[in-house]
Amino acid sequence: AQTVTQSQPEMSVQEAETVTLSCTYDTSESDYYLFWYKQPPSRQMILVIRQEAYKQQNATENRFSVNFQKAAKSFSLKISDSQLGDAAMYFCAYKSGGSNYKLTFGKGTLLTVNP
Amino acid sequence: KAGVTQTPRYLIKTRGQQVTLSCSPISGHRSVSWYQQTPGQGLQFLFEYFSETQRNKGNFPGRFSGRQFSNSRSEMNVSTLELGDSALYLCASSLGVGTVSGNTIYFGEGSWLTVV
Repeated sequence: AQTVTQSQPEMSVQEAETVTLSCTYDTSESDYYLFWYKQPPSRQMILVIRQEAYKQQNATENRFSVNFQKAAKSFSLKISDSQLGDAAMYFCAYKSGGSNYKLTFGKGTLLTVNP
Repeated sequence: KAGVTQTPRYLIKTRGQQVTLSCSPISGHRSVSWYQQTPGQGLQFLFEYFSETQRNKGNFPGRFSGRQFSNSRSEMNVSTLELGDSALYLCASSLGVGTVSGNTIYFGEGSWLTVV
């Protein structure tokens, strides 16, 4: 079974600064997808960024980028120019390729943005 | 394009009762999955439906069941409610096909269930 580990229960960053959230995963599969989701106090799970395992290029979405290290099974999220609205719980998630549409989540990292 | 819609958003039930939660996926999405989120257990996968068939199931007791209709809308039912069933229930949808976008999963706002 796949596992996802987020080793930082809480992180804080100053507004306009950069922060990196860590995620490691364990799998024996070669075809999979990785995601970062943001869950603000409203509790809606919002997709931040996705990465296909077969792509070596790191995904980027505006101020959000990932550092995908396939051999090390590491998938960290970098948030640049942090904004107050970035404050939320961030979840790293794993999905197998194929017809298995189950996401396996880490326990989350609570990000605080200080003005 | 409307997102994933869940109803009701909040509900309170008594132990022993049953509850039905509803989910309308993003238009065109055929895969609907359900998750339970609690402070203690985090996010746990319940089940996933595609074209009215359950494709994947998590490790939950038989009191938790679901179904999907021909229009891809889904319902989940919890019978004989227990206090421990109090949670945020999240519905998610996806195209459900083997493309990058087809493997991307989008979530609704959730249904808050409190069992007293």
